[in-house]
Amino acid sequence: QVQLQESGPRVVKPSETLSVTCSVSGGSIRNFYWSWIRQPPGKGLEWIGYMYDGGATSYNPSFKSRTSISTDTPRNQFTLHLSSVTAADTAMYYCAREDSSGYFVWGRGTLVTVS
Amino acid sequence: DIVMTQSPLSLPVTPGEPASISCRSSQSLLHSKGYDYLNWYLQKPGQSPQVLIYLASSRASGVPDRFSGSGSGTDFTLHISRVEAEDVGLYYCMQALQTPYTFGQGTKLEIK
Repeated sequence: QVQLQESGPRVVKPSETLSVTCSVSGGSIRNFYWSWIRQPPGKGLEWIGYMYDGGATSYNPSFKSRTSISTDTPRNQFTLHLSSVTAADTAMYYCAREDSSGYFVWGRGTLVTVS
Repeated sequence: DIVMTQSPLSLPVTPGEPASISCRSSQSLLHSKGYDYLNWYLQKPGQSPQVLIYLASSRASGVPDRFSGSGSGTDFTLHISRVEAEDVGLYYCMQALQTPYTFGQGTKLEIK
């Protein structure tokens, strides 16, 4: 059973870059789509982007060019980088694996506050 | 972007009674493989979302059979045959047909 665990700083200063890492256990990150989704406090879910097998990526245009996802395949981890953050980027950040049938298996999430 | 619209946004239900949530998409979610790429998730208080239904009508492993999904194209429904206290939380539909993947606003189910 694959398990995902997010980690990163709890507080990031405005204008800096937010970086959150997802550590995957119970399976390889090869040959799957891995996404980042966020949820501001008391609000709904927003897909940020995905990475496939350490190569192809797709990002939500609403984040313009602020987003990138990097991979560390030997360590079975991938990392979200979100630059030029503001208070509006305060949210719970989830990583998720996309099943071949298109649904997500989610991590527990990590709360990042921009302040 | 595909816009997902759920209704109702609030759903008070008496235990043992049925409930349903509607989800409409601004474009058809039918994939060339012949499936509708529509998922339903439940986010229980303090937890991350968990999948209930995928491909519009397939129940995920471990999900009670009181949950079912129906619909195709642009109109979808999540059915709960008999609501239990443990079903409280936020229900989201999500389209996985094309990026950016998008979610409905969420429906809050509460027990009367």
